[in-house]
Amino acid sequence: EVQLVESGGGLVQPGGSLRLSCAASGFTFSRYNMNWVRQAPGKGLEWVSYISSSGTTIYYADSVKGRITIFRDNAKNSLYLQMTSLRAEDTAVYYCARDDNSSGWYFDPWGQGTLVTVSS
Amino acid sequence: EIVLTQSPATLSLSPGERATLSCRASQSVSSYLAWYQQKPGQAPRLLIYDASNRATGIPARFSGSGSGTDFTLTISSLEPEDFAVYYCQQRSNWPRTFGQGTELEIK
Repeated sequence: EVQLVESGGGLVQPGGSLRLSCAASGFTFSRYNMNWVRQAPGKGLEWVSYISSSGTTIYYADSVKGRITIFRDNAKNSLYLQMTSLRAEDTAVYYCARDDNSSGWYFDPWGQGTLVTVSS
Repeated sequence: EIVLTQSPATLSLSPGERATLSCRASQSVSSYLAWYQQKPGQAPRLLIYDASNRATGIPARFSGSGSGTDFTLTISSLEPEDFAVYYCQQRSNWPRTFGQGTELEIK
């Protein structure tokens, strides 16, 4: 079974840092591009970042550029999101999602999400 | 950035009725549009990709149509489990963007 499991969320003060992890299983992780997508409480979905299967191509949303770094460890079947200079508006559930080539390179599947709360 | 506008914001229907959800793009996305379903407390689930292709395991009552800037998700006969929030998403350009969602609620 294809599975993505996020971890690392929690309460952090404004200006603080946090690293999110996404553990992949049930598929050959190194062959897939991956993404982070977030959802603020009661709000819609916002794509955050993309990384290619090899890690050589990376994109960020303007809202997080310069503050967030996406990276992966294919040997550990894991995706990461290093978040710094966190703001209240970064409060959200963060999902990792696979770029699925068999479904047109859309987000499929998604993990269950991990909640990041930025507050003093 | 391509802006996706979904309408209506909320749709109130009864089980067995037909649901029609709309997504309009601020510029052409060709057929590079997907639909997702999200239930409370759950992650989104891919329903339709490339405007009209059902994802694996998605029931035939879900269908998508459109190209360019105007897209439609149709649920032919609503089941109780279909009441949820639906999002469209484009992959034509970076950044990938989502619509603001349509909440499908039980009337």
